[in-house]
Amino acid sequence: ETGVTQSPTHLIKTRGQQVTLRCSSQSGHNTVSWYQQALGQGPQFIFQYYREEENGRGNFPPRFSGLQFPNYSSELNVNALELDDSALYLCASSGGQGVAGELFFGEGSRLTVL
Amino acid sequence: GQNIDQPTEMTATEGAIVQINCTYQTSGFNGLFWYQQHAGEAPTFLSYNVLDGLEEKGRFSSFLSRSKGYSYLLLKELQMKDSASYLCADGLTSGGSYIPTFGRGTSLIVHP
Repeated sequence: ETGVTQSPTHLIKTRGQQVTLRCSSQSGHNTVSWYQQALGQGPQFIFQYYREEENGRGNFPPRFSGLQFPNYSSELNVNALELDDSALYLCASSGGQGVAGELFFGEGSRLTVL
Repeated sequence: GQNIDQPTEMTATEGAIVQINCTYQTSGFNGLFWYQQHAGEAPTFLSYNVLDGLEEKGRFSSFLSRSKGYSYLLLKELQMKDSASYLCADGLTSGGSYIPTFGRGTSLIVHP
């Protein structure tokens, strides 16, 4: 069983640039959720995708957007980067057998905005 | 995470017992999750409570009181490797899917 994988693991961008983060969900999972985790904080919900449709969105501006593909992998896009976007971005898949709502996290993509 | 409250930091001694409390808003409740996150790593699932009472799983137990909007995670026989952040999350639903919303986490430091 392949776990959740994310790429890239680390990246550095400058203000105003755009970034795309990628996530492959665990096999058998049809739901992908994205979270932003600042240092010393809990993960903050960005949005969730279920069968290629956005299924819920947290309090993030429209410059945060996403996609889910037919194989249930997903992308997170952030436009017009700001310094406060520096954080660990976590992807989590769910929807397989087991506890409803249990999230399986990837190792995250650490974004630094200069 | 604004609906969830948990202590920021706790310290305990190796071999002891520690209880990490979490309170949440009861409206729209659909279960309470606990996750463990070691520094620099991804969170991993520990437990899920949807009914009142205590769920025991080895050294870790989780308790829920729905009427009080209260949960705790109990860690027994503490080991150094238990030093981590413990995240409480409530399971809101949207379109039939669960969307766990996390608190800021409790950083547990276990010392010899």
